[in-house]
Amino acid sequence: DADVTQTPRNRITKTGKRIMLECSQTKGHDRMYWYRQDPGLGLRLIYYSFDVKDINKGEISDGYSVSRQAQAKFSLSLESAIPNQTALYFCATSDSLYYEQYFGPGTRLTVT
Amino acid sequence: ELKVEQNPLFLSMQEGKNYTIYCNYSTTSDRLYWYRQDPGKSLESLFVLLSNGAVKQEGRLMASLDTKARLSTLHITAAVHDLSATYFCAVDLYCESGGGADGLTFGKGTHLIIQP
Repeated sequence: DADVTQTPRNRITKTGKRIMLECSQTKGHDRMYWYRQDPGLGLRLIYYSFDVKDINKGEISDGYSVSRQAQAKFSLSLESAIPNQTALYFCATSDSLYYEQYFGPGTRLTVT
Repeated sequence: ELKVEQNPLFLSMQEGKNYTIYCNYSTTSDRLYWYRQDPGKSLESLFVLLSNGAVKQEGRLMASLDTKARLSTLHITAAVHDLSATYFCAVDLYCESGGGADGLTFGKGTHLIIQP
């Protein structure tokens, strides 16, 4: 079984809709991250969390919110989706030794 | 603001040849990571470089880190088709904030095509 899972894997939604992307991990890591990937731009950090009570904005947090429901679960919400949020979204976790990040399979989101 | 620049962004090469991908970053950091991404897939960790002078090798790939020059290289030896992928370097924001692992800043990726 995968250590980092994301649901849904694909989602098409309309402008203005609220949508939640979910991430779960079985690695036992405290640190979790959300990134988005756009063609030609690499990955950019949206939010990150060091534990359930510690949530921080990343480079591109506008238009997004997150919830850390438990050590193993970190959700990303788009309160009112817009077309330029169409992207591939990755969740990641990291250990506290080398801070190596482990990525989930990604969620492909299309906002029409 | 931490900036990470990779070059080249696109590389087409023949099997059997050697080549190097470069990763420059704009501020002091001693944590650099290389990832591989196949089309439609997630990122796979290749190397973790944690100190100046670090060198790691796995098969036909070798990565190095020079923190004084703020430069990492990924060298491909005798390329084979299976190495075709997009390669990303990423730098830890650790030294930017003084905290720990505030997320990675990625380069834009090098799209590598290896032709028979």
